[in-house]
Amino acid sequence: AQSVTQLGSHVSVSEGALVLLRCNYSSSVPPYLFWYVQYPNQGLQLLLKYTTGATLVKGINGFEAEFKKSETSFHLTKPSAHMSDAAEYFCAVSVKAAGNKLTFGGGTRVLVKP
Amino acid sequence: GAGVSQSPRYKVAKRGQDVALRCDPISGHVSLFWYQQALGQGPEFLTYFQNEAQLDKSGLPSDRFFAERPEGSVSTLKIQRTQQEDSAVYLCASRLDVNEKLFFGSGTQLSVL
Repeated sequence: AQSVTQLGSHVSVSEGALVLLRCNYSSSVPPYLFWYVQYPNQGLQLLLKYTTGATLVKGINGFEAEFKKSETSFHLTKPSAHMSDAAEYFCAVSVKAAGNKLTFGGGTRVLVKP
Repeated sequence: GAGVSQSPRYKVAKRGQDVALRCDPISGHVSLFWYQQALGQGPEFLTYFQNEAQLDKSGLPSDRFFAERPEGSVSTLKIQRTQQEDSAVYLCASRLDVNEKLFFGSGTQLSVL
């Protein structure tokens, strides 16, 4: 079975500062990794995903994440936070053998201070 | 349709009532998932359909939960004899095929009083 741990349920950053959201996963087979964003009263939106190949993945809205197999991590970063980045972020893992169903972490809520 | 549509948006039920939650996936999408998201937590997998076949129902928490997709498009999640612990947002998601992007609906927020 797969699992995801997101360190920090709440993160507060100043506008223009670096955003860093931490995600560690557990999987016995090569995983697919995802970051989703959820705005209030909206569905989850895919920010980026890693399947195979290049370990640094770029997504929408200036976010990127790096797959580090040795650390079983897939941390999400954005160089400069914007007020519109205030939302909840979920890291997720899937494996092909399980029908590619997603297993989510507990989420990290991001607050952006002006 | 333009996206995954779920109805109702909000549902309040008295404990012991049966409820039915509807999901309209994006037209042509083969795979359909149901997730349960409790307050302050990440979504938890409930069940998965490939067309009309329910391939995985390992996440359904009890036999009070039942899901169907009889014609391979619209899906209904039914909860019998609702309990307070069933209060959550129920999310539906669909995708064109196994390796394609998953699209989520806005969810149905169920409150059991």
